[in-house]
Amino acid sequence: VQLLESGGGLVQPGGSLRLSCAASGFIFSDHAMAWVRQAPGNGLEWVSTVSSTGDNTFYSDSVKGRFTISRDNSKSALYLQMNSLRAEDTALYYCAKTASNHPDYWGQGTLVTVSS
Amino acid sequence: EIVLTQSPATLSLSPGERATLSCRASQSVRSYLAWYQQKPGQAPRLLIYDASNRATGIPARFSGSGSGTDFTLTISSLEPEDFAVYYCQQRSSWPITFGQGTRLQIK
Repeated sequence: VQLLESGGGLVQPGGSLRLSCAASGFIFSDHAMAWVRQAPGNGLEWVSTVSSTGDNTFYSDSVKGRFTISRDNSKSALYLQMNSLRAEDTALYYCAKTASNHPDYWGQGTLVTVSS
Repeated sequence: EIVLTQSPATLSLSPGERATLSCRASQSVRSYLAWYQQKPGQAPRLLIYDASNRATGIPARFSGSGSGTDFTLTISSLEPEDFAVYYCQQRSSWPITFGQGTRLQIK
């Protein structure tokens, strides 16, 4: 299993960013996928999950209405569109394959920094 | 939201000793609890899922127990590579939540 995140960077408060995750080594369309973040020096925070078909999505209250998770099973790709970014969104964002909603494989993360 | 409280925050032990980490849920999560290990600069690694099932490739010295609101991760005899931060996570209900972590450090 390999998960490779990209798309992180420095963005101003109120700005937008789109994260991507390229998956390989497993049947992507069989598994729900998630984003989990970790602010510098802090613990893990679940952000969002999308079902295997993409029909069902779930969000933490802290990002609901601002972030959108999606997937393209034809490309084995996961996305996170992040709008109206805030300083508190600054974190390392991990893409994770899930097994019954337990993240079982994780990428190495992509860093998002929200600052003026 | 289900709150997971881990204790202790920091545990100082020596290699070869037994480690016992606790995770308490604010309401029942049945057996839908996992444990992760995270080393500095690395992504988390799944150790235990559904309270007591070892993930693929996880050594037998790691074991999990519990159900409902009280869970335990036990490392029977600590190896040098086991010193890390450990998190519990529940999947019983949305939103998925993690505990705040227990840092296992060398004494």
